[in-house]
Amino acid sequence: EADIYQTPRYLVIGTGKKITLECSQTMGHDKMYWYQQDPGMELHLIHYSYGVNSTEKGDLSSESTVSRIRTEHFPLTLESARPSHTSQYLCASSASAEAFFGQGTRLTVV
Amino acid sequence: GDSVTQMEGPVTLSEEAFLTINCTYTATGYPSLFWYVQYPGEGLQLLLKATKADDKGSNKGFEATYRKETTSFHLEKGSVQVSDSAVYFCALIRMDSNYQLIWGAGTKLIIKP
Repeated sequence: EADIYQTPRYLVIGTGKKITLECSQTMGHDKMYWYQQDPGMELHLIHYSYGVNSTEKGDLSSESTVSRIRTEHFPLTLESARPSHTSQYLCASSASAEAFFGQGTRLTVV
Repeated sequence: GDSVTQMEGPVTLSEEAFLTINCTYTATGYPSLFWYVQYPGEGLQLLLKATKADDKGSNKGFEATYRKETTSFHLEKGSVQVSDSAVYFCALIRMDSNYQLIWGAGTKLIIKP
């Protein structure tokens, strides 16, 4: 069983609020990823990290930011939430080829 | 660049039917190929993988063979169950490109009793 955790599972928040989606893994993986999953199910990479103090933007432009101060922790922050940010956010980690996913955070901005 | 194309869904089948979900890829080098499954309300989990040409990955009755000549990795199952209803993602990874995963768009599978 994968040891990667996302909190919260569900979040409803008002426009303009600052939010942080948490992602932690206990497997010691160097690589971590954030994906946005749209209603059509397609995955869009928004951020990734190959180790501590390393972060990169992914293929999909995002107004979010990430940090990687510790190997096990890769939080995603939205400074000012907007309805267009409503989506499912999936965190993943990997050591080599296989990626392990958290259960996701379903974010609704009203 | 590298890409993965999989058949559009939803795919709707009756229980015990034969399943095929097509996946083709474009990549330079020698990618490893994967099928992931996402059950409702969950994250993705690895279903099976193949790391070189002619390898067959298998798990839970599902199979896929890495065909380099046709650049394909089609997912098959002989007799589907209602519990197989999920979204299936084909993906590739290039070991020589920092293990970046390239995803297909996902195929939703609906199995009716």
